[in-house]
Amino acid sequence: DAGVIQSPRHEVTEMGQEVTLRCKPISGHDYLFWYRQTMMRGLELLIYFNNNVPIDDSGMPEDRFSAKMPNASFSTLKIQPSEPRDSAVYFCASSNRGNQPQHFGDGTRLSIL
Amino acid sequence: DQQVKQNSPSLSVQEGRISILNCDYTNSMFDYFLWYKKYPAEGPTFLISISSIKDKNEDGRFTVFLNKSAKHLSLHIVPSQPGDSAVYFCAASEGYGGATNKLIFGTGTLLAVQP
Repeated sequence: DAGVIQSPRHEVTEMGQEVTLRCKPISGHDYLFWYRQTMMRGLELLIYFNNNVPIDDSGMPEDRFSAKMPNASFSTLKIQPSEPRDSAVYFCASSNRGNQPQHFGDGTRLSIL
Repeated sequence: DQQVKQNSPSLSVQEGRISILNCDYTNSMFDYFLWYKKYPAEGPTFLISISSIKDKNEDGRFTVFLNKSAKHLSLHIVPSQPGDSAVYFCAASEGYGGATNKLIFGTGTLLAVQP
């Protein structure tokens, strides 16, 4: 079975540029989550969707961050404009209905110069 | 304010011995707890979970213990193997019955199992 697929795996870009991270959840999963991992704060939940609808975006750090889920098989996390402090590993995860464990993708390592 | 804390950033044990990873939480509404394992350049993978109605859950070499009064849980790995070397994350959520899937993670503990 295909797991959660994230692209790109690595992204290096200059400050001020727009960055788009992509995620394909596991087929049939109703929930999709975006996380950010940094050394200082560990794994932080940014936003999550249920049935393509954003449920909780309280973890989104500022208006420069936005996330969409246009259909059940695709989601994007966009940063515009990007800043060096956005450098981190961004993970996408999905899960079934109910309190099933979340399945993570392998992440996107983002470096903003 | 960290609601889930893993106070030991790293732990080193000998192969064959027991590894004990600890996790503390502050939110008394948490009633479902999970452990994830993470290798470098990969995403976290689910290891074992426990709900607040239990105080122990076992799966092969892995056992999770929950002490609700102390707001403390631990993961025991017996016997430890070199392949267990990874970062271990503790996570917690409210609503085991499905009210929410929102997980709060600790900062992780790096386990090194020496051959």
